[in-house]
Amino acid sequence: DTGVSQDPRHKITKRGQNVTFRCDPISEHNRLYWYRQTLGQGPEFLTYFQNEAQLEKSRLLSDRFSAERPKGSFSTLEIQRTEQGDSAMYLCASSQTPGLSEKLFFGSGTQLSVL
Amino acid sequence: SQKIEQNSEALNIQEGKTATLTCNYTNYSPAYLQWYRQDPGRGPVFLLLIRENEKEKRKERLKVTFDTTLKQSLFHITASQPADSATYLCALHTGGFKTIFGAGTRLFVKA
Repeated sequence: DTGVSQDPRHKITKRGQNVTFRCDPISEHNRLYWYRQTLGQGPEFLTYFQNEAQLEKSRLLSDRFSAERPKGSFSTLEIQRTEQGDSAMYLCASSQTPGLSEKLFFGSGTQLSVL
Repeated sequence: SQKIEQNSEALNIQEGKTATLTCNYTNYSPAYLQWYRQDPGRGPVFLLLIRENEKEKRKERLKVTFDTTLKQSLFHITASQPADSATYLCALHTGGFKTIFGAGTRLFVKA
């Protein structure tokens, strides 16, 4: 168990640029989640994958956001035409099928700053 | 509307005392409730899970209670240590795909 890893840890970009983040979940976990967290707030749900299928997306996820999980392994989250309001910590989490373990394992996050 | 409320003010306690954190929720019927710890610049780390049919759960110095009538969970850390200083997040799972988090309570334990 090497844990959930996210890359990069920090990203600084200019408004209007596109950014892409990567998440590698724990290998035997079939569920993968993306969350966004701003200072003083708890993580907010963005989207959820079971294997390669994206089963739920939050209304927070505008058309500028897209997430993929090809082959049910790693996942990417892309933000197009970034805005200053996109500045936040983007967290990825994975879990096993409920019944085995409902707990979420989080990565250390990608801190995005949009200038 | 659905809400999860945790003490927004930081909790400051002396080393060795018991810290008690509160999580209240409205308009949810969670199948289970979880507590996570988060350190600055890191992702949350799972601590404890308690199901709707359980009243209390313990793990080492941690204890969680769950009152579905009051819609409240209490999280206790006994014999607190400075290393327990962190933000503690309450999270609800209502049976769908999402786990919903509260804003967290910051705990400071002074030596």
